[in-house]
Order: sequence, then structure tokens, then C-alpha cells
Amino acid sequence: EIVLTQSPGTLSLSPGDRATLSCRASQRISGVYLAWYQQRPGQGPRLLLYSTSSRATGIPARFRGSGSGTDFTLTIDRLEPEDFAVYFCQQYEDSPRTFGQGTRVEIK
Amino acid sequence: EVQLVQSGAEVKRPGESLKISCEASGYNFRNYFIGWVRQMPGKGLEWVGVIYAGDSDTTYSPSFEGQVTISVDWSSTSLHWNSLKPSDSGIYYCARQGRTNWHFDLWGPGTLVTVSS
Repeated sequence: EIVLTQSPGTLSLSPGDRATLSCRASQRISGVYLAWYQQRPGQGPRLLLYSTSSRATGIPARFRGSGSGTDFTLTIDRLEPEDFAVYFCQQYEDSPRTFGQGTRVEIK
Repeated sequence: EVQLVQSGAEVKRPGESLKISCEASGYNFRNYFIGWVRQMPGKGLEWVGVIYAGDSDTTYSPSFEGQVTISVDWSSTSLHWNSLKPSDSGIYYCARQGRTNWHFDLWGPGTLVTVSS
């Protein structure tokens, strides 16, 4: 099973700041099989990025994904109030599909 | 509208059976997979398994195999327990997965399952 480790656990930032979230895999993943999801309080997850860097429909350009091999990054430029949420990475190269434990982006 | 609608919250006793459902609308149901994901209170996401709506082919996470059953019918999928345990409590999300792109691109709102004596 591929283990995904996200860091930091919590990121305390202000609106307008840049957020940088990390997702590290226990073994190499093809970038085609790495996604990021956002979960706002009281809501279900929603897809942000797939294949490392492709934005899902309706996702603004301030959400950017990068990385390869075992290290992947989600960058959120100029945080908006609605971006304060929990973010999960997921690999879907191997079964079972696995998620990282999440990074909470909170208002400082 | 393309959406997944899930059945309502359930409160059950240990040992009882339960089936929760996820109804799809607005797209060709048979062309996609539906996956199930558990979220225990205050915790992260756990992949339960996935079923292809076209032929019912199912894959389970080893952590959930033998504990739950995923099934499909005309336009919905279900998650079924024969004998619930308190550790089965959590929110269960269904989510759509494509045949060539295997991420979850559409999520349901979740069903809260509470198992308590």
C-alpha cells in the first residue's frame, strides 16, 4: 500500500497569502495518478486537481499543482476566504487507492 | 444536473444490518465507476472500494474486504453491512470515477452512520 504523508498538518495564514502544501509518497508515483481534494467544514470533498496539475472544472487558476516521483505540491496563490479548508492528496496508481491525512489551512 | 444523491443518516445497534445508497443522475451511469470513501469523526479519508456500474466488477480495500458489500442496480449503488460494529461509524461518501481518469470527479454529500449500543 502506498502511504501518502502530508505536511504541515496545519497551516495558519492570512487572506492574500500563498499556501504551499506538501504530499510525499512512500514509493514513486506516476504524476498521472495524483489528485488533490478540498473539504470545507461540513461539506464533502471536491476535486481540485488531477494528474498532479490539471485543474478540475470551475477551479480557479490560483490553485496550482506540481511535483513528480514521490514529492508533490499544491500551491494556492493569494488565499481567498473560501480557501480556508482541509486539503487531501490521493494516489490512484495502485490499489488500494490511498489518501494523505490532510492539511488544514486556517485563518491566522 | 449531474449529481450523486445519498440516503439519509442512520443510527443502528451493533450487530444490525444496514444498506445505504447513492443515486446518480444527469450522466450515463453505466459508463462510470462509483467509489465509496469513509471519514471517521474528525479524521481523514479512507478508500473503501469501487464498483463499475457497467458490469458490477468490484474492488475492495483490504481493510474493508469482507466487512462491507458494494452493489449496483439500475441507477444507484449501495454499501451494505451484515453485522455492524461501533467502528463502522462515520460519514460515507460515494464518488464518481471515470474509466480512463481514475480520480473522483464528483462526490455525494455523504451519509452519516452511527453505530452505538
